[in-house]
Amino acid sequence: QVQLQESGPGLVKPSQTLSLTCTVSGNSISSGGHYWSWIRRPAGEGLEWIGRIYINGNTNYNPSLKSRVTISIDTSMNQFSLKLSSVTAADTAVYYCARDYRWTTFDIWGQGTMVTVSP
Amino acid sequence: QSVLTQPPSVSAAPGQKVTISCSGSSSNIGNNYVSWYQQLPGTAPKLLIYDNSKRPSGIPDRFSGSKSGTSVTLGITGLQTGDEADYYCGTWDSSLSAGVFGGGTKLTVL
Repeated sequence: QVQLQESGPGLVKPSQTLSLTCTVSGNSISSGGHYWSWIRRPAGEGLEWIGRIYINGNTNYNPSLKSRVTISIDTSMNQFSLKLSSVTAADTAVYYCARDYRWTTFDIWGQGTMVTVSP
Repeated sequence: QSVLTQPPSVSAAPGQKVTISCSGSSSNIGNNYVSWYQQLPGTAPKLLIYDNSKRPSGIPDRFSGSKSGTSVTLGITGLQTGDEADYYCGTWDSSLSAGVFGGGTKLTVL
């Protein structure tokens, strides 16, 4: 079955760029015509959709984060990635990658990775 | 402030039924399918309901979803202590061209 796994630094300094990668296993990232999304949950808060990418590179971003977010895809590596620039403490959260089965139906999730923004 | 509005918390006794509401607008719930997610402590969210009322394979029929206009409701019957979790509604917002979630509802099984 399809599985997702996030990877990347757990600690990022303020003003720097947060970079995470999601590796898809069990099937090709290019099959099925799905979008691939990033979602986060800050401590004590709810889920926040960050953005998504399609296999042709088309993206949609959360308007509140759009100026700082870039999502890319590498079909040869079966991975998609998140870059969030100019981070602050408010970006401290558990970050999840997820398969968007259809119009924000997230049917498969990674286990999540904690990212802390601190000097 | 979330685009979709959920009650912060609900509670009920084991064996009882509970409902969790999620309200939005015509740009999101009113014209798009809604999903519900269960997040147990320390784990990733899990898809409970999709397309407003459908259950993925493996989700018991104690969980149900319904939609009316710009609101949706998640129902859980035969409550178990293992149902204690945070529950989120989510959908697409056509005006924002973005995914949106409710603020989440913490379910306590007393």
